Amino acid sequence: KQEVTQIPAALSVPEGENLVLNCSFTDSAIYNLQWFRQDPGKGLTSLLLIQSSQREQTSGRLNASLDKSSGRSTLYIAASQPGDSATYLCAVKASGTYKYIFGTGTRLKVLA
Amino acid sequence: EADIYQTPRYLVIGTGKKITLECSQTMGHDKMYWYQQDPGMELHLIHYSYGVNSTEKGDLSSESTVSRIRTEHFPLTLESARPSHTSQYLCASSESPSTDTQYFGPGTRLTVL
Repeated sequence: KQEVTQIPAALSVPEGENLVLNCSFTDSAIYNLQWFRQDPGKGLTSLLLIQSSQREQTSGRLNASLDKSSGRSTLYIAASQPGDSATYLCAVKASGTYKYIFGTGTRLKVLA
Repeated sequence: EADIYQTPRYLVIGTGKKITLECSQTMGHDKMYWYQQDPGMELHLIHYSYGVNSTEKGDLSSESTVSRIRTEHFPLTLESARPSHTSQYLCASSESPSTDTQYFGPGTRLTVL
């Protein structure tokens, strides 16, 4: 059974720092992996989607990497800003299924 | 910008009431999902639809039901609400088959007294 873990659960950094969020999964037979952002009381916004055949995806200050063999993905945020404060979730989709398995997220606070 | 809507945004009701949470998307997506999320916890899939008249239950046991009569509409119904149903309900859609990017609605926060 696929399990998704995100460490740390919470993180506070000063504005301007580069930071890395981690996501690990137990079954490497994945179809893709998505990173989402969730603001308090709101829905999720998709940030990056990495297909199983890809190693990384970039969008602006965000870079997500995928290492299927080790069951890990990282989300790199460059030059963090207070507006980046949110909960970041990763979700994996197994090959041959329609279901996404979500992690519990990392709550990020960027201090001005 | 994804166009997926949920109503109501907030709902407080008494035990035993029947409620319907609405979800609509204007993107023509085939796949639609209902998730349940408690504070600080992961999302759990409760229902999935891969097209009109095609629905499946997710991993999380749920006393709710869904229907998919039109592509753009995926309502969730609770016949008799209980306090254990208090949670946030998130609707999502994704395009098939070219991409699996999930687009989420703003959510409905349900409180059952």
